[in-house]
Parts: sequence; structure tokens; C-alpha cells
Amino acid sequence: GAGVSQSPRYKVAKRGQDVALRCDPISGHVSLFWYQQALGQGPEFLTYFQNEAQLDKSGLPSDRFFAERPEGSVSTLKIQRTQQEDSAVYLCASSYRTGMAGELFFGEGSRLTVL
Amino acid sequence: AQSVTQLGSHVSVSEGALVLLRCNYSSSVPPYLFWYVQYPNQGLQLLLKYTTGATLVKGINGFEAEFKKSETSFHLTKPSAHMSDAAEYFCAVTGGNGNQFYFGTGTSLTVIP
Repeated sequence: GAGVSQSPRYKVAKRGQDVALRCDPISGHVSLFWYQQALGQGPEFLTYFQNEAQLDKSGLPSDRFFAERPEGSVSTLKIQRTQQEDSAVYLCASSYRTGMAGELFFGEGSRLTVL
Repeated sequence: AQSVTQLGSHVSVSEGALVLLRCNYSSSVPPYLFWYVQYPNQGLQLLLKYTTGATLVKGINGFEAEFKKSETSFHLTKPSAHMSDAAEYFCAVTGGNGNQFYFGTGTSLTVIP
């Protein structure tokens, strides 16, 4: 597609439910990032993939958070046993380059509300 | 480690006035610096970036920013604000061998007609 696509755009979950958020990056982009953006805050790094390899997951807040990119394109962020503090917008970004000079292209985000 | 501080969470300017959004960074390695803009319910869009070379960088929509190493700053400016500039602006830094972009907390720009 022309841009980074994320689904669902909005998700309401009851506390304790599992959720899965999908990211479809720009075709051919090597790098893929997940960020968490709380209300009124800047994006906070969660995890980074280079192709199918998860090279950095230091930002994942707990072992309830899990991300995968099995074929080096589409990625899924899974949150198990959701808690209210997980409520945020989850942003996916991709880049055609590895390394830090590459521009990040962001999706519109998935807004998660945990009741 | 890298971090970003954006002074002023809210900035209001009159249409046609100068826009100045402040960003200071800390970095233990030569930084790469970015400004992103976020319109309501949309993803972040790159305005401009500094990697190496000329310290004054020009971006889209008439914005520019100057990397000042001595002041560890990367302030964003635009000579004349337009109503369509109203949005949230984020400064970001990265560098070294890490893969993390560190974002500031953002500045919300309001343009008054």
C-alpha cells in the first residue's frame, strides 16, 4: 500500500482481555518500530524489527506485551491480560533503511481503551 | 543515552506571526535530530531532519530548524504562521548504535486568526 496501515483503528477491551494490533508497513521497508503514545505524551519506544528479527524489545513494559513479524512484513503487537494502564495509542512506523538516518513513516495508530 | 526536552507544551501565535518551537537534546554521541508533526487522529509526519552537514535544514511547509551543538538545541521556526500549521509537534533524537528514536513530550501549536 501507499502508507503504513494499522488495524483496528479503535479497540475497546475489558480488563483482562487479550488484544492483537496489526501493522502493515510500506512494502520493502526493512525496519519496523512499535511505539506507545499515552494521552498528552510523546511516543515511547516499545520494540524494533529488522526484517523478521526482533533486534530490540527493551521498551516493552512487561511480559504481557509480545510482538512478532514472522515473514518480515506484517507485524502484530499482542497484549495479554490487558490492564487500564495499557490504554494508549499504539503507533507503528517503518523505514526503508536500517540505521538512524532513515525517515520513519508512521501509521495512524491503534487507539486502545481498557475498561 | 539520548533524551529530548521541548519547552512549552502549548504555544499560541497569530496568523502571519513567527513560529518558534524549542527543542533541546542530550546525547552522548553525535545526534541525528528530527521534527515530526501530528494532526488530529493522524500518524506522525516528518517535517525535517538533521544528520550531518549543513546545520540549517529546511523542511516541508516552510519550516526550518538549526542544529546548534554548543547550545544542544534544534529549535523549529517558520517566518509566518498559517492556520493549517495548527497541530502537535514532536522533536526526536537518535544516534549511536541504538535503534530507538527518543521523542519529546510535544508542543501543541495554536494559530489565532
